[in-house]
Amino acid sequence: QKEVEQNSGPLSVPEGAIASLNCTYSDRGSQSFFWYRQYSGKSPELIMSIYSNGDKEDGRFTAQLNKASQYVSLLIRDSQPSDSATYLCAALGGATNKLIFGTGTLLAVQP
Amino acid sequence: KAGVTQTPRYLIKTRGQQVTLSCSPISGHRSVSWYQQTPGQGLQFLFEYFSETQRNKGNFPGRFSGRQFSNSRSEMNVSTLELGDSALYLCASSPPSSTDTQYFGPGTRLTVL
Repeated sequence: QKEVEQNSGPLSVPEGAIASLNCTYSDRGSQSFFWYRQYSGKSPELIMSIYSNGDKEDGRFTAQLNKASQYVSLLIRDSQPSDSATYLCAALGGATNKLIFGTGTLLAVQP
Repeated sequence: KAGVTQTPRYLIKTRGQQVTLSCSPISGHRSVSWYQQTPGQGLQFLFEYFSETQRNKGNFPGRFSGRQFSNSRSEMNVSTLELGDSALYLCASSPPSSTDTQYFGPGTRLTVL
């Protein structure tokens, strides 16, 4: 079992729709979670971090964390073609303090 | 403020050779982490340095090593290159205020022939 799991996609959504990206993690000691966006041929850039159960909103992005279910998600409202990228979920290991990444979900927003 | 810089951006080596990659963190950042990214395995943690000391290490063979200098610049070295070492090597730095937040450099694309 991978430590951080994501559906590789591609997830295809029409422009203006809500894109929902999901991630599960296996280390119950993890307390910090991150979403990165990576455009093709570029390096990852941090979108959001979340540390507490519940929702955290930043513009069109909402991160959701459920530690009991070991589940993290990212919602992108009013999706734009420029949102088309690979989204990486990461969890900071509780005991190891290492940042563990999922393999990413490819999002394609259709105009 | 300038971002994380990595040199060189592209590198082609042959099996058995060694390679050294360089990373300059964002000014004021003292933590530098290295990652290997491949299509099959995704982003995998190599090691982290803080104040010239290796603070954490991933599950890579001893052929992979690194160091950090007093100005926080870091280098990683891979000896006896194998075909499977072909990857994008990413460096990331973290600010003192948020050591778990990583800012990535553009990466070094290493191809081993």
